[in-house]
Amino acid sequence: ETGVTQTPRHLVMGMTNKKSLKCEQHLGHNAMYWYKQSAKKPLELMFVYNFKEQTENNSVPSRFSPECPNSSHLFLHLHTLQPEDSALYLCASSQGVPGRGPPTDTQYFGPGTRLTVL
Amino acid sequence: GQNIDQPTEMTATEGAIVQINCTYQTSGFNGLFWYQQHAGEAPTFLSYNVLDGLEEKGRFSSFLSRSKGYSYLLLKELQMKDSASYLCAVRDSNYQLIWGAGTKLIIKP
Repeated sequence: ETGVTQTPRHLVMGMTNKKSLKCEQHLGHNAMYWYKQSAKKPLELMFVYNFKEQTENNSVPSRFSPECPNSSHLFLHLHTLQPEDSALYLCASSQGVPGRGPPTDTQYFGPGTRLTVL
Repeated sequence: GQNIDQPTEMTATEGAIVQINCTYQTSGFNGLFWYQQHAGEAPTFLSYNVLDGLEEKGRFSSFLSRSKGYSYLLLKELQMKDSASYLCAVRDSNYQLIWGAGTKLIIKP
């Protein structure tokens, strides 16, 4: 496997379900990100991890719970979601965290998980 | 507030040239990125500009004017595979990435 992988690619869940999204990066990067992408809206940054430590949490509802056991893996645990949470959830990684790495630090994205909440 | 503006959708003809504009109002500036995203796929990095001027990379070029808060992505010799969304993102003074909503480019034969 190369780059950034995400599983599952598609997920349909009810509002009372609990599920987890998984992201893995094979690039040797130190920072990982969760984004939400809704149709015709800008990417919304949800969480940032740097060397396994959470450095950003952009006012995300507690029904989204991230976990970063090591620099290569990132999870997003979901519970009691709402229909408006239906979106594409993208994971990304970069060599360093913006502000701590080179200015040209670039984020590399996984293909995303298409989430539908019924 | 911070804002990135780019057209929602553009249409162009195979073999032609298209320019996708991006204007930004951000608190500070530490670089501008362009990404390409095919439907159902990951955004992929295209270009980075931090100084004024034109950066050329094959059929794609990106231009930046910091004084005008303006950038464009120029695609030449368009191919059908160039049909995708193009995302503009600016790194602000806190090194946070501010994203535009993307421009969907439709290529017609």
